[in-house]
Amino acid sequence: NAGVTQTPKFRVLKTGQSMTLLCAQDMNHEYMYWYRQDPGMGLRLIHYSVGEGTTAKGEVPDGYNVSRLKKQNFLLGLESAAPSQTSVYFCASSYPVREDEQFFGPGTRLTVL
Amino acid sequence: QQPVQSPQAVILREGEDAVINCSSSKALYSVHWYRQKHGEAPVFLMILLKGGEQKGHEKISASFNEKKQQSSLYLTASQLSYSGTYFCGSRGGSNYKLTFGKGTLLTVNP
Repeated sequence: NAGVTQTPKFRVLKTGQSMTLLCAQDMNHEYMYWYRQDPGMGLRLIHYSVGEGTTAKGEVPDGYNVSRLKKQNFLLGLESAAPSQTSVYFCASSYPVREDEQFFGPGTRLTVL
Repeated sequence: QQPVQSPQAVILREGEDAVINCSSSKALYSVHWYRQKHGEAPVFLMILLKGGEQKGHEKISASFNEKKQQSSLYLTASQLSYSGTYFCGSRGGSNYKLTFGKGTLLTVNP
């Protein structure tokens, strides 16, 4: 079992460029989440999904889009990157039980110049 | 609204105890605790539910005061491996979202 994997691990973008971060899990989890982590701010939820084909906004959704076309994959898109989106992005997944642990991926460190 | 964690940072010597607190201005349904080592992903520690139920994987204890909307994580006889940033996450009702606090940096020295 690979658990939760994220691609890529590092990326540097120029302002205005676009990119997609891929999250994949092999645990058959229904729920998936995208967080961003900035120094001193903790983990903030960007978007989440409670099942294939469904997505919802979290705390800080502006500037991001997501898609969940397959149960095992959750994609996070930046259409026009801004320096304020420089961050470490974590994907997580969990079973369809509200009170269960979230399994986190290793993170993607994104720098927008 | 993010739950508030205190202290922001604590330094211990091996074998000492520590308490990390998490409080919310909103009614809590559950509190989740995670630990993150530098450069790594957060790892689940424990969930505390209304009614007193706990779900956890490690020998770390915690409490949940529903009336005060507070949770405390108790780290006893700390080990070097306890070092890291501890996050509490709160869930306020019939939704699937966790709102995390800003974290508490725990450093355990020999």
